[in-house]
Amino acid sequence: GENVEQHPSTLSVQEGDSAVIKCTYSDSASNYFPWYKQELGKRPQLIIDIRSNVGEKKDQRIAVTLNKTAKHFSLHITETQPEDSAVYFCAASPGGYSTLTFGKGTMLLVSP
Amino acid sequence: GAVVSQHPSRVICKSGTSVKIECRSLDFQATTMFWYRQFPKQSLMLMATSNEGSKATYEQGVEKDKFLINHASLTLSTLTVTSAHPEDSSFYICSAVPIQTGETDTQYFGPGTRLTVL
Repeated sequence: GENVEQHPSTLSVQEGDSAVIKCTYSDSASNYFPWYKQELGKRPQLIIDIRSNVGEKKDQRIAVTLNKTAKHFSLHITETQPEDSAVYFCAASPGGYSTLTFGKGTMLLVSP
Repeated sequence: GAVVSQHPSRVICKSGTSVKIECRSLDFQATTMFWYRQFPKQSLMLMATSNEGSKATYEQGVEKDKFLINHASLTLSTLTVTSAHPEDSSFYICSAVPIQTGETDTQYFGPGTRLTVL
């Protein structure tokens, strides 16, 4: 089955800095890669996703890059703000109503 | 759009009792819903895939007789934890995939149910 590794497990940055979270996956059949943000005790919220026919996708301060050859994808957050503090999960799926396999999460702390 | 609700949000029960958790898609229909369990400071672990009108598919290690899933309509799936024990205490989250949008891989999550078994 799919195995998703996520690094780092914790990331502390100063407000305004950039943050990068990296994930690798094992199943070459995976073609859908979402990123979720989860605040304590709340639901995971989809913040951005990318499909294998695209190498990069950007939405304001958030971007995701995908390297299918190397089987890794990354989340980039620029101009971080304290409200970006949360746990971020990457995931991978073959798509088509298939299950998501999640990474272990990264706790991002943005200090004012 | 794509709102998923769960009920109850929090439940405390005695060991040995059964607890039912409802997952509803409020503004879309979903033939497929998923149930996850999340322990403190850990990731989401898939328990089962719930398919409308058919039996659920359980992940390895998840007891189907203990975690009963019923997906009776295109907007409702239920998870019943039977004979709950303290080790079943966890955060249970459902997700649903809309059938209308054509994006068959995007999962929208419910707010979760915090189960505490005394």
